[in-house]
Amino acid sequence: DAGVIQSPRHEVTEMGQEVTLRCKPISGHDYLFWYRQTMMRGLELLIYFNNNVPIDDSGMPEDRFSAKMPNASFSTLKIQPSEPRDSAVYFCASSFSGSPLHFGNGTRLTVT
Amino acid sequence: DAKTTQPTSMDCAEGRAANLPCNHSTISGNEYVYWYRQIHSQGPQYIIHGLKNNETNEMASLIITEDRKSSTLILPHATLRDTAVYYCIVRGLTGGGNKLTFGTGTQLKVEL
Repeated sequence: DAGVIQSPRHEVTEMGQEVTLRCKPISGHDYLFWYRQTMMRGLELLIYFNNNVPIDDSGMPEDRFSAKMPNASFSTLKIQPSEPRDSAVYFCASSFSGSPLHFGNGTRLTVT
Repeated sequence: DAKTTQPTSMDCAEGRAANLPCNHSTISGNEYVYWYRQIHSQGPQYIIHGLKNNETNEMASLIITEDRKSSTLILPHATLRDTAVYYCIVRGLTGGGNKLTFGTGTQLKVEL
């Protein structure tokens, strides 16, 4: 079991550019979560999906953020346009109903 | 989900037991206590969870008080690799589904 796979591990981009973060959940898991971690705010839940359907996106900070899950094995988190305050580590996690969440190792995003 | 209170930091000597406390005085009857840890630059890692009985696995033991208002995570023989931030999370499995809400956690430092 490869675990939750996120790509890229590191992303450096300039303000105004579009950024796409990718996540492959563990096979068979029906929940997928996107979290963001900063020093100031800690770990925050942005959005989560159940069976590829977004259930709660109340943590998405602005319309510049969007997330999709076109199938059970892939999800993207897009920021367009990016801003320096979006710099953070973004984590993806997956779980099977009622089971503990499994996290990927994150994407460290730096927006200059 | 109920809120938790943890000490900001703790130190432990290598080879000794690390006892990490957590208060969750507003926990409701159907909420579980979960523990995760986050080693620097990695995603959070599941450790253990319980409802009202004490639990033990290969990583740790979880002791929940009879009134369920507090719990203690025990790492029986701490090693340097156990240095991490430990999060105590109270989580229900209804309504909001599987989502986890992270607090600030306890920074455990294991020293020689």
